[in-house]
Amino acid sequence: QQKVQQSPESLTVSEGAMASLNCTFSDGTSDNFRWYRQHSGKGLEVLVSIFSDGEKEEGRFTAHLNRASLHVSLHIREPQPSDSAVYLCAMMAGGSNAKLTFGKGTKLSVKS
Amino acid sequence: GGIITQTPKFLIGQEGQKLTLKCQQNFNHDTMYWYRQDSGKGLRLIYYSITENDLQKGDLSEGYDASREKKSSFSLTVTSAQKNEMAVFLCASSFSGNTLYFGEGSRLIVV
Repeated sequence: QQKVQQSPESLTVSEGAMASLNCTFSDGTSDNFRWYRQHSGKGLEVLVSIFSDGEKEEGRFTAHLNRASLHVSLHIREPQPSDSAVYLCAMMAGGSNAKLTFGKGTKLSVKS
Repeated sequence: GGIITQTPKFLIGQEGQKLTLKCQQNFNHDTMYWYRQDSGKGLRLIYYSITENDLQKGDLSEGYDASREKKSSFSLTVTSAQKNEMAVFLCASSFSGNTLYFGEGSRLIVV
């Protein structure tokens, strides 16, 4: 069963400084990775989807995927206090059966 | 665009009671999911359904039943509520496992 580890558990950054979040996974068969964000008391909203090694940018959010090192990261450019939320990475196993596995999340706080 | 509606937002029940959560989506997605979210444990998949009347067990299906009555709706039943089951239950939908779209969650409280 695919395992997903996120780090750090929590992160505090100042408004405008880059925020970097990490996710490692247990095997390299997945080809389907997403970053979600969850504000307190709300559902999850998708930020970036990435399917091949390299970089994918969606506005201020950039995902980097390196399947050889079993690693996917999210970088948030110019974070604002409204970006304070829990960030979750998710991946689908290779040979997709529509089952998505999530990490436990990184709690990001952005101080103004 | 579309929306996923979960009802009720809060469900309060007694220990041992059978409790049902409902989910509706108007994306016309084929696949629907129920996840449980516990603090410090992330999201764990309970059941999912790839089409009407289909049911697939996730990692946490013990103690739960699900029903996909029609394409747009997916319900989850806690067969015998326990106090350690208090959590947020999240419904989601997608086209064949592509991007999942989530509802705002239903919080289960067992007294």
